[in-house]
Amino acid sequence: EVQLLESGGGLVQPGGSLRLSCAASGFTFSDFTMSWVRQAPGKGLEWVSAIGGGGSNTYYTDSVKGRFTISRDNSKNTLYLQMNSLRAEDTAVYYCAKALRVTTSYFEYWGQGSLVTVSS
Amino acid sequence: EIVLTQSPATLSLSPGERATLSCRASQSVSSNLAWYQQKPGQAPRLLIYDASNRATGIPARFSGSGSGTDFTLTISSLEPEDFAVYSCQQRSSWPLTFGGGTKVEIK
Repeated sequence: EVQLLESGGGLVQPGGSLRLSCAASGFTFSDFTMSWVRQAPGKGLEWVSAIGGGGSNTYYTDSVKGRFTISRDNSKNTLYLQMNSLRAEDTAVYYCAKALRVTTSYFEYWGQGSLVTVSS
Repeated sequence: EIVLTQSPATLSLSPGERATLSCRASQSVSSNLAWYQQKPGQAPRLLIYDASNRATGIPARFSGSGSGTDFTLTISSLEPEDFAVYSCQQRSSWPLTFGGGTKVEIK
């Protein structure tokens, strides 16, 4: 059974940093592109970042480029999102998501979400 | 960036009725489009991928169609558990983008 378990969310002041983790199990982690998708309170879904199975290919939405860094440790089956220079508009539930197939970027499995609140 | 526009924003229907949801892309995405269902407090669930393929375990009352810039999600006969928010997503080009969502509510 595929499981994705996020951790690391919480309350942080504007300009601060936070690192999210996503522990994966139930599949060959290194084979799949993984993504972070967020949802601000009462709003729609927003894709944030993705990383290829090997970790060398990374992608970001424009609003987080230069501030967020996605990475993975395939030996630990864990995905990360390092978030720096956080802004109020980064407040959201952050989901990690597994690609449907090795070569696609649809999201077949999702974690339960981790709430990040940026506020003074 | 490819913008996905969903309509209507809200659809008020009764159980047993047919629901037709639209997703329009700002440029062609070929068939590289998915649909998700999301209920309050839950993560999204993949319903349809590549415009018309049902994901594993998705009931046959859900169907997707379209290509290029215009896509439709149809729920042939609404069940009580189908009242939720539905979002489309394209994977044709980076950045991946979602539509704003359509809420299907009980009339």
